[in-house]
Amino acid sequence: AQSVAQPEDQVNVAEGNPLTVKCTYSVSGNPYLFWYVQYPNRGLQFLLKYITGDNLVKGSYGFEAEFNKSQTSFHLKKPSALVSDSALYFCAVRDTESRDDKIIFGKGTRLHILP
Amino acid sequence: KAGVTQTPRYLIKTRGQQVTLSCSPISGHRSVSWYQQTPGQGLQFLFEYFSETQRNKGNFPGRFSGRQFSNSRSEMNVSTLELGDSALYLCASSRGTGDSYEQYFGPGTRLTVT
Repeated sequence: AQSVAQPEDQVNVAEGNPLTVKCTYSVSGNPYLFWYVQYPNRGLQFLLKYITGDNLVKGSYGFEAEFNKSQTSFHLKKPSALVSDSALYFCAVRDTESRDDKIIFGKGTRLHILP
Repeated sequence: KAGVTQTPRYLIKTRGQQVTLSCSPISGHRSVSWYQQTPGQGLQFLFEYFSETQRNKGNFPGRFSGRQFSNSRSEMNVSTLELGDSALYLCASSRGTGDSYEQYFGPGTRLTVT
């Protein structure tokens, strides 16, 4: 069965510094990987996805993520953090070769950008 | 294009009651999924509907049920409410049910069970 892990409950970054939010996954086949962001009292918003092709995926709000098959990781990155990036971030995975193809979400990582 | 809408936004119920939550997907989207979000468990998948058929179901008791109508609108029902059912219930829609489709989430319904 597929699974996804976000090893950090919270990440603190100073404004202007690069940020990384970590995500690792486990699937039996090839993964489809997603990042979503949740602002306070809002639903989740799609940021970016990896389906196939280039390992570096660019998404909304200047975010990007790198798919690393050997390390089964899909870390979210941004070169220069903004205070407005403070939110809850979720990594999600679908296993393309599983009969049970529902999407599985990580528990989320709360990102705090310090001014 | 209007986003995913969920009604009601907030709900307070007592133990033993039942509740029905509604979700209207983005126009043209045929897949609707439901999730339960709690601080301790994160985001947990409840079920997914596509063309009025349940495609997937998460590990929730039979008290949780859902359905989808011909216009793709969906409802979920929770019977015999328990305190542990207090959560934010999120609905998400997508164009199809293929693996690569991203989901668009509604603002959620905050359910409090007392």
